Amino acid sequence: DADVTQTPRNRITKTGKRIMLECSQTKGHDRMYWYRQDPGLGLRLIYYSFDVKDINKGEISDGYSVSRQAQAKFSLSLESAIPNQTALYFCATQGNTEAFFGQGTRLTVV
Amino acid sequence: DQQVKQNSPSLSVQEGRISILNCDYTNSMFDYFLWYKKYPAEGPTFLISISSIKDKNEDGRFTVFLNKSAKHLSLHIVPSQPGDSAVYFCAASFFGNEKLTFGTGTRLTIIP
Repeated sequence: DADVTQTPRNRITKTGKRIMLECSQTKGHDRMYWYRQDPGLGLRLIYYSFDVKDINKGEISDGYSVSRQAQAKFSLSLESAIPNQTALYFCATQGNTEAFFGQGTRLTVV
Repeated sequence: DQQVKQNSPSLSVQEGRISILNCDYTNSMFDYFLWYKKYPAEGPTFLISISSIKDKNEDGRFTVFLNKSAKHLSLHIVPSQPGDSAVYFCAASFFGNEKLTFGTGTRLTIIP
């Protein structure tokens, strides 16, 4: 089993729809992150959480929200999806140093 | 403001030769640096790291060099193999702020 599992792997949704991306991890780490990857822009941090009661905005949080349901679960929501949120989304968990990433969710907003 | 920069979007190297990927940073508070490798349709995977107390770290074919005065690090892959073809991201963090700041990535293609 993968250390970090993201669902769904691919999703096409319409503008204005609400969508949730889910992430679970088996590493037992407290820190979890959501990133998006866009061509030429690398990985940009959307939200992060250092424990169940701690939620923090990253550099591009507008239009997104998150929920940390448990140590192992961290979900990302787009309340009203727009086309420029079309991207590859990655969830990650981090121990003392390195981060472990899920396989990504390819989201297309049409 | 891009605090971690990878100025080469792509690099092609002959199989068996050395691949050198470069990364520059602007925040002098960064004290821990990592390289990640990403294949298509997969998440990034950790490759190698270096602390600011060192200037070199080696792991098999992979060596990372850190030049703190120049705020520059590089990843050397010797010898390059076809399986090394991937996108490579450098990342940085500092003690007390464990978020990773990523560069924009370099796509490495190894030519057989």
